[in-house]
Amino acid sequence: GAGVSQSPSNKVTEKGKDVELRCDPISGHTALYWYRQSLGQGLEFLIYFQGNSAPDKSGLPSDRFSAERTGGSVSTLTIQRTQQEDSAVYLCASRPKGSYNEQFFGPGTRLTVL
Amino acid sequence: AQSVTQLDSHVSVSEGTPVLLRCNYSSSYSPSLFWYVQHPNKGLQLLLKYTSAATLVKGINGFEAEFKKSETSFHLTKPSAHMSDAAEYFCVVRDQTGANNLFFGTGTRLTVIP
Repeated sequence: GAGVSQSPSNKVTEKGKDVELRCDPISGHTALYWYRQSLGQGLEFLIYFQGNSAPDKSGLPSDRFSAERTGGSVSTLTIQRTQQEDSAVYLCASRPKGSYNEQFFGPGTRLTVL
Repeated sequence: AQSVTQLDSHVSVSEGTPVLLRCNYSSSYSPSLFWYVQHPNKGLQLLLKYTSAATLVKGINGFEAEFKKSETSFHLTKPSAHMSDAAEYFCVVRDQTGANNLFFGTGTRLTVIP
């Protein structure tokens, strides 16, 4: 079946511009995560959605970052006034309800801020 | 708090020789531990997982990992490396409170020499 998909695969933007990154989780998966992978580093947790509950935003690095999940499915990560340090690969993952032991990752969006 | 430490940022082996990628964990709870692999320009893929069942865990592509509580280790091994094993490997521990998000190590890049 279809896995987690993300778009765009690559995004180049100028410093100060806003960007939107999209994630389509696996159908039926209730939990959705966003992570950031900076060059030479492991993944950093950003935000977590579970069903209709309020999202866990504890990993967002600044108030320039926000995310929505509409209808319990597609999610959009928005970065406002991008900075060069925002350059990274942004990964989305989903998992089914009640299964805490595996997250299924998308291919990521590589963001480059010039 | 949970965390993992990958002791080697880069490991190089010859094709057909054993692979050892080291990981130590820190967890206040009985941990859930994972190894993920990331091939170039591909998404993260789960190799194997430990969830307090058998301490020796077998994964895909001939990889294994052994959970050793006394050493707080979860090293990844494979008896004989293939060229296709060249990738980035991440040791991961699951947060067992709140979001159940994953804490990633900084990764080990495996190079396989023909």
